[in-house]
Amino acid sequence: EPEVTQTPSHQVTQMGQEVILRCVPISNHLYFYWYRQILGQKVEFLVSFYNNEISEKSEIFDDQFSVERPDGSNFTLKIRSTKLEDSAMYFCASSVHYEQYFGPGTRLTVT
Amino acid sequence: KQEVTQIPAALSVPEGENLVLNCSFTDSAIYNLQWFRQDPGKGLTSLLLIQSSQREQTSGRLNASLDKSSGRSTLYIAASQPGDSATYLCAVRPSTGANNLFFGTGTRLTVIP
Repeated sequence: EPEVTQTPSHQVTQMGQEVILRCVPISNHLYFYWYRQILGQKVEFLVSFYNNEISEKSEIFDDQFSVERPDGSNFTLKIRSTKLEDSAMYFCASSVHYEQYFGPGTRLTVT
Repeated sequence: KQEVTQIPAALSVPEGENLVLNCSFTDSAIYNLQWFRQDPGKGLTSLLLIQSSQREQTSGRLNASLDKSSGRSTLYIAASQPGDSATYLCAVRPSTGANNLFFGTGTRLTVIP
């Protein structure tokens, strides 16, 4: 069964460094999303992407964040200058229309 | 802003018992509601999706109901098994045209053998 994959599973970085989180959505899906979950808190929406552009973004998704679909299969989330409070599990999701399918997540630890 | 609440926060039941998990949301203007399962340190597995026009959906031992006007959904798990132990999340998609999901805090279920 097709699934969303994410790499790496765990990323440790120092404050101020740039990180890129990678996702391969399900191949026939059209909508792509990033969510994050800070330990012990709710899953929060960051951004959605459709037709090669951002369709929605939350207040969390500020100028430090960017997304890209560099080729026909990958979908990336870049954080330009990480802060301690960016430490969280980051989930990529994709959908054809309504039902969103999530990847296993990347645990980002900022030290 | 949409707020999604799930009660109880944790639930422990003996194997074989039927159980109900609750989800409530403050804004009834939703497009759909999705139930997920999350295992510790893992991603989210989609269990059921209910469109706003539907009253319930079933998949195996799972049955989800939706009462949009009262802002409630329930997930019924029949004949619980230890393998059902996980955190169960509900999430709503607003009908405003946005396609993001608003998540609840989850119910952590433990099924005791």
